[in-house]
Amino acid sequence: QKEVEQNSGPLSVPEGAIASLNCTYSDRVSQSFFWYRQYSGKSPELIMSIYSNGDKEDGRFTAQLNKASQYVSLLIRDSQPSDSATYLCAVNMYSGGGADGLTFGKGTHLIIQP
Amino acid sequence: DGGITQSPKYLFRKEGQNVTLSCEQNLNHDAMYWYRQDPGQGLRLIYYSQIVNDFQKGDIAEGYSVSREKKESFPLTVTSAQKNPTAFYLCASRPGAGSYEQYFGPGTRLTVT
Repeated sequence: QKEVEQNSGPLSVPEGAIASLNCTYSDRVSQSFFWYRQYSGKSPELIMSIYSNGDKEDGRFTAQLNKASQYVSLLIRDSQPSDSATYLCAVNMYSGGGADGLTFGKGTHLIIQP
Repeated sequence: DGGITQSPKYLFRKEGQNVTLSCEQNLNHDAMYWYRQDPGQGLRLIYYSQIVNDFQKGDIAEGYSVSREKKESFPLTVTSAQKNPTAFYLCASRPGAGSYEQYFGPGTRLTVT
């Protein structure tokens, strides 16, 4: 069974603080990991992708991947009220071809308190 | 402007009717996908296509059908056999070999009564 698990929240973080979002996945052969941001009533927007163990930084966002622990996280520094959204973790659980779709977690609802 | 378009944004149908959702992309992406999202749930894969005239079932294909006659277009038909068709339907595309990032269209919200 392919699974991606996230804490549904809500996760409440003060403005300017670091928001930390976590995700675990079940398939050890997974190679591609993504974070999407979804505002209420809108479609998901890709904000980060990560393929190798370690950290990847893009502006205020840092994705962290630990394949041995089957764990991926997203850090948002200097959180802004506009960061309030649902964050979806997605994993490409394929056995080689890269053709399968993504398996999504249910998302973490993040609230940035002004 | 390059992007993925889905139409209509909102769609209302009576139970027992088939309905077709449109998805078009002008990004020259090879692969296209259909997902559905239910309230408080993650996205679930319905169908995907890597190349023209070829498509594969995803995790929840029952009650749905697709076609891929053109690279740019991947319409989804929700048939009367789909037991719970009311959902937010999302189309996505991926550039092709070597790139695994998927980009989503704006979605179609289907309500069946």
